[in-house]
Order: sequence, then structure tokens, then C-alpha cells
Amino acid sequence: SYVLTQPPSVSVAPGKTARITCGGNYIGSKTVHWYQQKPGQAPVLVLYYDTDRPSGIPERFSGSNSGNTATLTISWVEAGDEADYYCQVWDSRSDHPWVFGTGTKVTVL
Amino acid sequence: EVQLVESGGGLVQPGGSLKLSCAVSGFTFSGSAMHWVRQASGKGLEWVGRIGSTADTYATAYGASVKGRFTISRDDSKNTAYLQMNSLKTEDTAVYYCTRHRCAGAVCPFDYWGQGTLVTVSS
Repeated sequence: SYVLTQPPSVSVAPGKTARITCGGNYIGSKTVHWYQQKPGQAPVLVLYYDTDRPSGIPERFSGSNSGNTATLTISWVEAGDEADYYCQVWDSRSDHPWVFGTGTKVTVL
Repeated sequence: EVQLVESGGGLVQPGGSLKLSCAVSGFTFSGSAMHWVRQASGKGLEWVGRIGSTADTYATAYGASVKGRFTISRDDSKNTAYLQMNSLKTEDTAVYYCTRHRCAGAVCPFDYWGQGTLVTVSS
């Protein structure tokens, strides 16, 4: 089964940059999507196909994917960015082909 | 406005059954593959299963943890997807979300999500 590993938590001061990693075997060869989930709410797609932003997502959200690590970068962090973030890929050989990362709690100090 | 509204959650005893519904509006339901994703309290997201659209003859797929116990179906005339859950276990306790697959390819993202419905399996 394909495993995506994220750090449990990331803390960042307002106005600074948060980087959330998503580690997986040769993840650079896969397409990565990122979801934001605030407490008590459904996930929201914030980045897809590694680097694309859906309509309404600010340019402060960006992404990269290479080797064994994909990264979601949030620039100029705001209090409203505090949430859980999940990466997601599709892996045809996994027993759960649509795979989510373990999730990262972003805390804005 | 796109809306996905889940219903049917509740308390059920181990070994019991429950059927969830996901009523959709605001996009062409018949052309969209639909997935179910669950989340146990304080835990991460877990993919449960999917049903394709008419384009891929409504093909279904399930995660290993639910295969053989859960069945996904849809009624395009009612713009509704269903998740039939049988032989429920305590570890199936979670919020269940339905979500739309953005396009036909397997690598596409999940772009619209419902608000979720809570399923509690307990005696």
C-alpha cells in the first residue's frame, strides 16, 4: 500500500512562510493534490496537479513536487490559514488507490 | 451553486446496516464519478470507494477495509449517490463525505465535497 507521510504539525508566525511536506516513494512521478480542512468543515481543494490553484484560492498557495517529496507552500501566512492540510495521490497498485497523506496541522502563532 | 448533501447517518449496532445518500445539485451529476471518503474523529481522511459515470459504465471500486461489506450505487434520475454499509464494525465509526471527481481520469482531484454525515457503530 502506498504511504504518504506528512509532519503532524507546522507552526508559523503571521506574515511568514509555511512549508508542508508530503513524502512518498517516487512521488515526483505522481500527480499531487492538496486539501485544506478547518475544524468541523469538509475538506477544500487548494492545489491540484501539483501546482494549479482552483478559482478563489489565493496566489499565496503554491506547490512543488520532485523526487520523494511534494511541498505545499503558504506565503504571507494569515490567521485564516490555520487548518489541517492533506496531500493526495492516485496509486494504481495500492489497496486504497486514492491515497491521502497523514495530515498536517498548521498553527498560526 | 454546487451542493452535495449527505444524509442517513446515525447510530447502529455492530453487525448492522446503514444506507447513506448524497444528493447533488449544481453540476451534471450523470457525467461525474462520485467517491466516498471517511474520517474518524481526530483522524485523517480515508478513501472508501467510488462509482463511475455512464461513461465508464458505472464501474465501482472499494478500499480494502470495506470491500465486500460496502456497496456504492447511484440514481442519475435523482442526482443521488448511495453508500450501502453492511456488517458494520466499530472501526467504521466516522464522518462520511461524498465528493465529486473533477474529471474522468483517475489522477483528477476531488473538487466538491458534502458537509458529511456521522455514522456511529456501537452497542
